[in-house]
Amino acid sequence: EVHLVESGGGLVQPGGSLRLSCAASGFTFSDHYMDWVRQAPGEGLEWVGRIKNKAKSYITEYAASVKGRFTISRDDSQNSVFLQMNSLRTEDTAVYFCARDSSSGAYFPNWGQGSLVTVSS
Amino acid sequence: DIVMTQSPDSLAVSLGERATINCKSSQSVFYSSNNKNQLGWYQQKPGQPPKLLIYGASTRESGVPDRFSGSGSGTDFTLTISSLQAEDVAVYYCQQYYSIPRTFGQGTKVEIK
Repeated sequence: EVHLVESGGGLVQPGGSLRLSCAASGFTFSDHYMDWVRQAPGEGLEWVGRIKNKAKSYITEYAASVKGRFTISRDDSQNSVFLQMNSLRTEDTAVYFCARDSSSGAYFPNWGQGSLVTVSS
Repeated sequence: DIVMTQSPDSLAVSLGERATINCKSSQSVFYSSNNKNQLGWYQQKPGQPPKLLIYGASTRESGVPDRFSGSGSGTDFTLTISSLQAEDVAVYYCQQYYSIPRTFGQGTKVEIK
């Protein structure tokens, strides 16, 4: 069974940094692209970005709203993906989900439970 | 970016009745290389992550009840719940995976009438 567990969320001041982790199990992690999706309180879903697999040179892609501030990385030896968030803004307040890409690198069959990030002074 | 627009924003349906949610993309999400529409549907219940229901516009994910069905092609898509059950109360999202950035519709809240 696929299992994704996020950690690292919390309260941070505007302009601060935070690093989220997502530990994966139940599938061949190194084969899959991994994504981050966020959801502001009471709002809809917003794709944050993704990291491809080794075969695709670990290429990363980001939403315009986070490009240049957020960085996605992965450690295939630890079956983990990370989201480094810098220069945080109040509008980054959200639950952050990690999601496994389908084999074709497209839709999201599996999601973690999410980690809440609150950006506030 | 491809804009996904769902309608209605919310609907209330009696138990056992049909619920229909529409999703329109700002450009075609039909991928000619694999002859598939790059469109998925998700269900999200309060306090839970989204759950994939449908991919390829009409293929049910494993374990999803057959009362859920997807249809449409190009820019216009529909999610139908043929006989609404109490456990189907949720917010439903469509998502395109034709291009980056991946984009979602704003969500449709389904309630019991």
